[in-house]
Amino acid sequence: AQKITQTQPGMFVQEKEAVTLDCTYDTSDQSYGLFWYKQPSSGEMIFLIYQGSYDEQNATEGRYSLNFQKARKSANLVISASQLGDSAMYFCAMRVYNQGGKLIFGQGTELSVKP
Amino acid sequence: DTGVSQNPRHKITKRGQNVTFRCDPISEHNRLYWYRQTLGQGPEFLTYFQNEAQLEKSRLLSDRFSAERPKGSFSTLEIQRTEQGDSAMYLCASSLGTGHPGDTQYFGPGTRLTVL
Repeated sequence: AQKITQTQPGMFVQEKEAVTLDCTYDTSDQSYGLFWYKQPSSGEMIFLIYQGSYDEQNATEGRYSLNFQKARKSANLVISASQLGDSAMYFCAMRVYNQGGKLIFGQGTELSVKP
Repeated sequence: DTGVSQNPRHKITKRGQNVTFRCDPISEHNRLYWYRQTLGQGPEFLTYFQNEAQLEKSRLLSDRFSAERPKGSFSTLEIQRTEQGDSAMYLCASSLGTGHPGDTQYFGPGTRLTVL
C-alpha cells in the first residue's frame, strides 16, 4: 500500500534561516511523483514543487528545493531564507502512475516562522 | 488565469439535510478531483473525473455521496442525509489530465461543511 509519513507535527524557524521539512514515502511502484503543497490558514492548497521518480536532479523552485533520496524513500522540502508568510501547514503527497489520478497525502507539518 | 473556484465557501446544515457543492476547474483542465479534509489531517481522495467520466471512487464515498460532471466542465458533489461525521473541508482540484505522475493538481479554496 502507498503511504506518506510526515513525522514533524510542528516546526519553528527564525526568519531568514533555512528549514527542512521531512517526508518519507512507501510504494513498490517504480513510476511515481512527489509533491509538496502549502496550506495557509485560509485553507487553499498551494502547489510548491514536484519531483518525479526518474528525475536524477533534485527539483528547485525559487526558495523551495526538494532533497530527493530514492534509496531512503525520502523527499524532504527545504525552504531557504524563511519569511513570515511561510507560516502555514505543509503537506507532502505522492501520485503513483498506475494507481489512477489520486494524490496520497501525509498528515502535514505546521511551520511557524518567528521574526 | 482563473484558478479553481468552489461554492459555497461555507455551509452550515442540520443533520439529515442534503447539501450540494459546486466546483469550477481551470478551463483547459480535463481532470477534476474531490478530496475531503478533516481537522488536523491531510486531504483524503474521494473521486475523480476525466472529462465527464467518473474514473475512480474511494471507499470513503458512501452511497450518500454522489458526484457528477455532466458536461465535462463544472462538477457537483452532493451529500444526502448528512451526518455530523460529514463535517469537513471539501476540496476540489483540477489538472490537465496527461496521466503522467507529474500531472499537477491545482486546488480550489474549499467548501467548509458543518453539520449540526
